[in-house]
Amino acid sequence: QQPVQSPQAVILREGEDAVINCSSSKALYSVHWYRQKHGEAPVFLMILLKGGEQKGHEKISASFNEKKQQSSLYLTASQLSYSGTYFCGTELGIQGAQKLVFGQGTRLTINP
Amino acid sequence: DTGVSQDPRHKITKRGQNVTFRCDPISEHNRLYWYRQTLGQGPEFLTYFQNEAQLEKSRLLSDRFSAERPKGSFSTLEIQRTEQGDSAMYLCASSWAGGYTFGSGTRLTVV
Repeated sequence: QQPVQSPQAVILREGEDAVINCSSSKALYSVHWYRQKHGEAPVFLMILLKGGEQKGHEKISASFNEKKQQSSLYLTASQLSYSGTYFCGTELGIQGAQKLVFGQGTRLTINP
Repeated sequence: DTGVSQDPRHKITKRGQNVTFRCDPISEHNRLYWYRQTLGQGPEFLTYFQNEAQLEKSRLLSDRFSAERPKGSFSTLEIQRTEQGDSAMYLCASSWAGGYTFGSGTRLTVV
């Protein structure tokens, strides 16, 4: 039931792009993306509802492929502040389960 | 709006003792969630409330864990007869049918 994130870790230089994937074996109602810095709480980035929409937040955007039950998070021209662990949280079911099941996380390190 | 507050930030307890954590959500949020997170893992669902009603509790949660949300405001999570495996960060989050706002968490260490 837990979604699978890939890759588990990625190291980039400032200005490079990254893609983080989240896959589920169950039908998804929505996908959330969060970023957590070391020792801090997860911070909400965006939510995508079923319908295949793509949303954006500054240089961070995401897509949701309902048929494949996958979501991808795109970070373009990465900045040092993007470092942290990214989690996808999936809401299962046709009408939504009202709770999130989180993936195991993808650790992103941005070097100068 | 002061965000989601959790108290205490840290708790060290001896095995077998009971502990209670408190969460104060954002006042306009009707949903409140408890998650547990261990090092290197994503948050694991424990339970959630809509207003004062506890709508779901994880099947992974033993009977030693109980949560309340009287009057649909703050919530408490109690762990009875703590075990070393209970050591983790306990996160509270609230929402209004959208993204979650997490608190800073309570780090529990059972010795």
